[in-house]
Amino acid sequence: ETGVTQSPTHLIKTRGQQVTLRCSSQSGHNTVSWYQQALGQGPQFIFQYYREEENGRGNFPPRFSGLQFPNYSSELNVNALELDDSALYLCASSLVETSGEETQYFGPGTRLLVL
Amino acid sequence: QKEVEQNSGPLSVPEGAIASLNCTYSDRGSQSFFWYRQYSGKSPELIMFIYSNGDKEDGRFTAQLNKASQYVSLLIRDSQPSDSATYLCAVWYGQNFVFGPGTRLSVLP
Repeated sequence: ETGVTQSPTHLIKTRGQQVTLRCSSQSGHNTVSWYQQALGQGPQFIFQYYREEENGRGNFPPRFSGLQFPNYSSELNVNALELDDSALYLCASSLVETSGEETQYFGPGTRLLVL
Repeated sequence: QKEVEQNSGPLSVPEGAIASLNCTYSDRGSQSFFWYRQYSGKSPELIMFIYSNGDKEDGRFTAQLNKASQYVSLLIRDSQPSDSATYLCAVWYGQNFVFGPGTRLSVLP
């Protein structure tokens, strides 16, 4: 078990609604990233936050937004939900050690179904 | 469009053999390269990352990077049935992180 938790575990929404997904990072990890994973595919990078600032973003529209809080927990917000947003949403927290080695742990994911 | 390509498999190897997983990427500006393992129904786990040309070893795993050929590989020595999973290659491009589709590995007892 990693120290990364996500809530909720499952969620059903209807098209056009808004959703907020939450991630609690591994203690001491200052970087969090979010991914969308459709069934049978590799994860797609949504964005990454380092010390509360966005420092990387994938090819997702602005209706996907995020926040990282001072305690390094994080939220993913998706507005105007579309059917294609149905997927598993994963967050991962990471820390780059002074040695240059990186530790990274994924949470268990939130499965979102948009009807 | 930055791309990461992997053979989707399945790649089948007998127990005890070396499994070789390959990944190519499209952008020479790529900075860091990651290998993940994902069991069915589970989240990915980071196996290792590499950013310098050459080999990097961690236990039974060796990552090999050749930036001139835009190629990164993962070798698994003494493969075990518990290594059966999907292996994902991912490339950090500085502002974007791109995953390949993954290669399914099956280690046969």
